[in-house]
Amino acid sequence: DAGVTQSPTHLIKTRGQQVTLRCSPKSGHDTVSWYQQALGQGPQFIFQYYEEEERQRGNFPDRFSGHQFPNYSSELNVNALLLGDSALYLCASSLEWSYNEQFFGPGTRLTVL
Amino acid sequence: KQEVTQIPAALSVPEGENLVLNCSFTDSAIYNLQWFRQDPGKGLTSLLLIQSSQREQTSGRLNASLDKSSGRSTLYIAASQPGDSATYLCAVYSNTGKLIFGQGTTLQVKP
Repeated sequence: DAGVTQSPTHLIKTRGQQVTLRCSPKSGHDTVSWYQQALGQGPQFIFQYYEEEERQRGNFPDRFSGHQFPNYSSELNVNALLLGDSALYLCASSLEWSYNEQFFGPGTRLTVL
Repeated sequence: KQEVTQIPAALSVPEGENLVLNCSFTDSAIYNLQWFRQDPGKGLTSLLLIQSSQREQTSGRLNASLDKSSGRSTLYIAASQPGDSATYLCAVYSNTGKLIFGQGTTLQVKP
């Protein structure tokens, strides 16, 4: 049974560019949450998708957007990249839009130059 | 607004020592609480999940406790080993499944 997978593993972009990160949830899970972890900090909640809709959002600007597909996989898009967007982006999946345990993927390391 | 604090931020101990990591949260109306381990540059590894109706969970040399009324959780590591060196993160679940993390405690176990 495959766990949560994320792609790519690493990514280097320049300021002003756009990036798309991908996440496939654990088998049987229908909810995907995204977190940003800056160096030396705890992860910060970006948003959560359930039934192909954004259910809740953290304190992130509109440059951060997402999508969930019918197969429950998800994408995180960041436009107009800033140096401060450099971070580890973590995807977590869970069952139903509730406080069920979240399972994390290995993350995507984004570096903005 | 829920805030999660972990003390200490860093800890260095000799091998074999028993140790306690602390986590506190400001709003006692939490659901689950989870402890994670993170190795440098890596993702999160789940250690223990404590459901809101539970007071503790154990796995091997690890024991986590939860006291919702006082807004505290502790992670106890017995007989520490150099392989335990990592950052330990505490996170609380809101009722909608949003995870709120602490800043982490970076542990170094010296041989």
